[in-house]
Amino acid sequence: GQNIDQPTEMTATEGAIVQINCTYQTSGFNGLFWYQQHAGEAPTFLSYNVLDGLEEKGRFSSFLSRSKGYSYLLLKELQMKDSASYLCAVNTNAGKSTFGDGTTLTVKP
Amino acid sequence: DTAVSQTPKYLVTQMGNDKSIKCEQNLGHDTMYWYKQDSKKFLKIMFSYNNKELIINETVPNRFSPKSPDKAHLNLHINSLELGDSAVYFCASSQVSGSMNEQFFGPGTRLTVL
Repeated sequence: GQNIDQPTEMTATEGAIVQINCTYQTSGFNGLFWYQQHAGEAPTFLSYNVLDGLEEKGRFSSFLSRSKGYSYLLLKELQMKDSASYLCAVNTNAGKSTFGDGTTLTVKP
Repeated sequence: DTAVSQTPKYLVTQMGNDKSIKCEQNLGHDTMYWYKQDSKKFLKIMFSYNNKELIINETVPNRFSPKSPDKAHLNLHINSLELGDSAVYFCASSQVSGSMNEQFFGPGTRLTVL
């Protein structure tokens, strides 16, 4: 089976940097996704990592270490609109995506 | 044009009833999914279809039956609804199952069983 852990809640200040961690245990690893979900809306894709290292996309970056079963999502220059749930999802070779329980980020002025 | 659409957006019904939720994607994707998100916001996969073939069937009561008439549609039929079925159901699609291609989610169907 798969086990994905991420913090339940985080709080940060507008303009700051926040790092949301995700650890996983799986067999047949085939990539890790980060999704953003605002309250009452559908999840939307943020990033994808399949090789070790950092992927940068504007204010958001995602890092992966396959040997450690570890990823993080880094959000810079936080804005109020970044308040949302952030979901880590692991893909396997069997074609299955398993989502973590999500981290609810609250950005305060 | 909406990429992944679901109907209805809201569904309120009595225990014991049978209901269906429809999903359509116009992205030309091969793979479609159904997820359930409960009140604690946990997103759990239920089913996955690739080109109309069932490839993932999680531990879901057999009261839930997906049907894929073609690769652009994946409908979910639920028999004998129970209180615990109340949740938001999301349909999603991706280009190829298990690949780097991200999933595109529909707007969700909020099901309330009374």
